[in-house]
Amino acid sequence: QVQLQESGPGLVKPSQTLSLTCSVPSGSIRSGNHFWTWIRQPAGKRLEWVGRLFTTGSTDYNPSLKSRVTISGDTSKNQFSLELSSVTAADTAVYYCARERRWVGAFDMWGQGTMVTVSS
Amino acid sequence: DIQMTQSPSSLSASVGDRVTITCQTTQDINTYLNWYQQRPGKAPKLLIYDASKLETGVPSRFSGSGSGTGFIFTISSLQPEDFATYYCQQYRNLPLTFGGGTKVDIK
Repeated sequence: QVQLQESGPGLVKPSQTLSLTCSVPSGSIRSGNHFWTWIRQPAGKRLEWVGRLFTTGSTDYNPSLKSRVTISGDTSKNQFSLELSSVTAADTAVYYCARERRWVGAFDMWGQGTMVTVSS
Repeated sequence: DIQMTQSPSSLSASVGDRVTITCQTTQDINTYLNWYQQRPGKAPKLLIYDASKLETGVPSRFSGSGSGTGFIFTISSLQPEDFATYYCQQYRNLPLTFGGGTKVDIK
């Protein structure tokens, strides 16, 4: 089931920038049938959609995070990345990358998740 | 944002039981709703999309129904591997949003 792979620091200091990368199966990031998405889940809480990237480079972000989020892609490396600036303890969560099937908004492929803690 | 309310938030059931979970939304979302299963420490797994369509490879004991603002997810005969947390998710509007989850544990 798990075919995506997140990587990045597990600990980030408050006010700094959280940076994560997701590696996807070769060539997939060019697919016009999918969005490439970041989702997070604080401990014991519901899943929260962070934002997504389309093959054209266009992005959509959760308005609650929009001023702090950047999602970008690197087709040469088959990767896409998340940057979240000015982090606080409220950004502590498991971060998942996922593939969203276009037209049905369904996340049909996920990474295993990576825990990111914001603490000094 | 479209708010998603699942009920119950948790339930206890036995192997073989029929389990039903509901999801209500604050706006009409047609059938733009998906269901996921999440086992502890694992990523969610897509079970149902577009309210009632079974994802490839998912057992037929899982089903979904509903449209508009009210949806139902059913496990017809609970199996040991089904003890997990289940989430609904809408894709009618951005931001995409999830329900609060229903934890199914062993009675």
